[in-house]
Amino acid sequence: GQSLEQPSEVTAVEGAIVQINCTYQTSGFYGLSWYQQHDGGAPTFLSYNGLDGLEETGRFSSFLSRSDSYGYLLLQELQMKDSASYFCAVRGTGNQFYFGTGTSLTVIP
Amino acid sequence: NAGVTQTPKFQVLKTGQSMTLQCAQDMNHNSMYWYRQDPGMGLRLIYYSASEGTTDKGEVPNGYNVSRLNKREFSLRLESAAPSQTSVYFCASWGGELFFGEGSRLTVL
Repeated sequence: GQSLEQPSEVTAVEGAIVQINCTYQTSGFYGLSWYQQHDGGAPTFLSYNGLDGLEETGRFSSFLSRSDSYGYLLLQELQMKDSASYFCAVRGTGNQFYFGTGTSLTVIP
Repeated sequence: NAGVTQTPKFQVLKTGQSMTLQCAQDMNHNSMYWYRQDPGMGLRLIYYSASEGTTDKGEVPNGYNVSRLNKREFSLRLESAAPSQTSVYFCASWGGELFFGEGSRLTVL
């Protein structure tokens, strides 16, 4: 089976940095993705890590350690529009994707 | 470029009624997915299709059937709806990242 754990809620101040962690247990692993979802909307892709290390895309970075079954999403220079839910997702065998329960990020002024 | 299109966007059913959620993508992707999203539960994989003519069960397939009609279309059918199937349903296709439709909000009374 698949199991992904994330914190349920995080609050951070505008302009600050926040890290959202994800630990996973899976029978097959080909990579870890991160998606953002604003209330009532469709999830949208943020980043993907297929190998260990850090991937950077603008204000967002994502890290993966396959030996620790652990990854995180780092959001820098937080903006109010970053208030949303963030999901990690494991890419498994056969191109299946399994999602965590999500982290609700609230950015406060 | 429409991406992933789902219909209907909203539907109310009575227990025991049947219905089909339609999904189409215009990005020539092979893999397509159906997820359901409930509060606090994240996105759970119902069924997926790695390519035209193939379908496989995900985490929560009970009570659902799917059809991969052609490369573009992947439908989800509820044969006898139950209140536990009240949810938001998302269709997605994969092309290096998951592209999601806008969701179908289903209420079963």
